[in-house]
Amino acid sequence: GAGVSQSPSNKVTEKGKDVELRCDPISGHTALYWYRQSLGQGLEFLIYFQGNSAPDKSGLPSDRFSAERTGGSVSTLTIQRTQQEDSAVYLCASSLATSGTDTQYFGPGTRLTVL
Amino acid sequence: AQSVTQLDSHVSVSEGTPVLLRCNYSSSYSPSLFWYVQHPNKGLQLLLKYTSAATLVKGINGFEAEFKKSETSFHLTKPSAHMSDAAEYFCVVSVYNSGYALNFGKGTSLLVTP
Repeated sequence: GAGVSQSPSNKVTEKGKDVELRCDPISGHTALYWYRQSLGQGLEFLIYFQGNSAPDKSGLPSDRFSAERTGGSVSTLTIQRTQQEDSAVYLCASSLATSGTDTQYFGPGTRLTVL
Repeated sequence: AQSVTQLDSHVSVSEGTPVLLRCNYSSSYSPSLFWYVQHPNKGLQLLLKYTSAATLVKGINGFEAEFKKSETSFHLTKPSAHMSDAAEYFCVVSVYNSGYALNFGKGTSLLVTP
């Protein structure tokens, strides 16, 4: 079946612009996670959704970052007024449920470059 | 807090020799532990996971890992390395109080030489 998809695969933007990153999880997966992978910070957790609800937003790096999920499916991560330190690969993962045993399946990521 | 420490940032082995990638974990309760692999310019793929069933876990491509509570370790092994095993490997623990979000180690880069 179809895996997790993300778009765009690459995004180059100018400092100060807003960007939207999209994630399509595996159909039927109720849990969705956003992570960021950068050279300096490694892989870090940003936010998760159980259905359309994001119970914990403390992992978001700043208030310029926001995320939403609609219809229990597609999620968008929005970065406002992008900064050069936002340059990274943004990864989305989904799992059947929110549990310690369910496998998280990762998408290919969106590589964001802020000039 | 749940965390993992990968003891080697780089490991180099010859093709056909055993692979050992070391990982120690810290957790106040029985953890769920994973190993993920990332090939160059590819996505993250699950190799195997430990979820408090058998302590010896077998994964894909001949990899296995053993959960040792007394040593707080979860090392990844493979009897015979293949050139295609060259990749970045991440030891991972799920974090109970963040919706079971994954907390990744810093990664071990495996180089396989002919």
